[in-house]
Amino acid sequence: GQQVMQIPQYQHVQEGEDFTTYCNSSTTLSNIQWYKQRPGGHPVFLIQLVKSGEVKKQKRLTFQFGEAKKNSSLHITATQTTDVGTYFCAGGAASGSRLTFGEGTQLTVNP
Amino acid sequence: NAGVTQTPKFQVLKTGQSMTLQCAQDMNHEYMSWYRQDPGMGLRLIHYSVGAGITDQGEVPNGYNVSRSTTEDFPLRLLSAAPSQTSVYFCASSGRGGYTFGSGTRLTVV
Repeated sequence: GQQVMQIPQYQHVQEGEDFTTYCNSSTTLSNIQWYKQRPGGHPVFLIQLVKSGEVKKQKRLTFQFGEAKKNSSLHITATQTTDVGTYFCAGGAASGSRLTFGEGTQLTVNP
Repeated sequence: NAGVTQTPKFQVLKTGQSMTLQCAQDMNHEYMSWYRQDPGMGLRLIHYSVGAGITDQGEVPNGYNVSRSTTEDFPLRLLSAAPSQTSVYFCASSGRGGYTFGSGTRLTVV
């Protein structure tokens, strides 16, 4: 079955440093989504990418979908303490199909 | 607009007991799903539904049942609770975009 792997599992940064998490799928994806889960909270949808090579930005967050539609990345510029949480990618094999979640990257930011 | 509502928020069960975790959404979403979240293992799909009357198994369905009699509700039943089912359970719904998650049920089986 489809597998989605995410690295690193943990990342500790100083406030102001950049952060990147990577997501790799064993199969070609129709779309990839990214979620953020604050400690003790529930996952919150951030963005969906559907096109090969697509790049989207949300303020300090940059999301990229690979050309082969098998990998993706989330980059945060100049982290802030409000960025703390676990970031999940989730891949869909077909439009409207169920998502397979990666194991997440837990980000801690030291002030 | 409440989104996805899960009840209860916390529950302690004894081994062998049964219970139902409730999930309701008011966004008229066709797709609903249940996940469990364990430390270091991300979100694992238990069961999902693409519409009323239709359900299917996810990655870890054993020990759980679901039904979808209405678009709004998607309850998850634990048939005979086991300590391995201690986890945080999330319900999620989706229209044509991202998932909306409920706030979760933290379940402990002793």
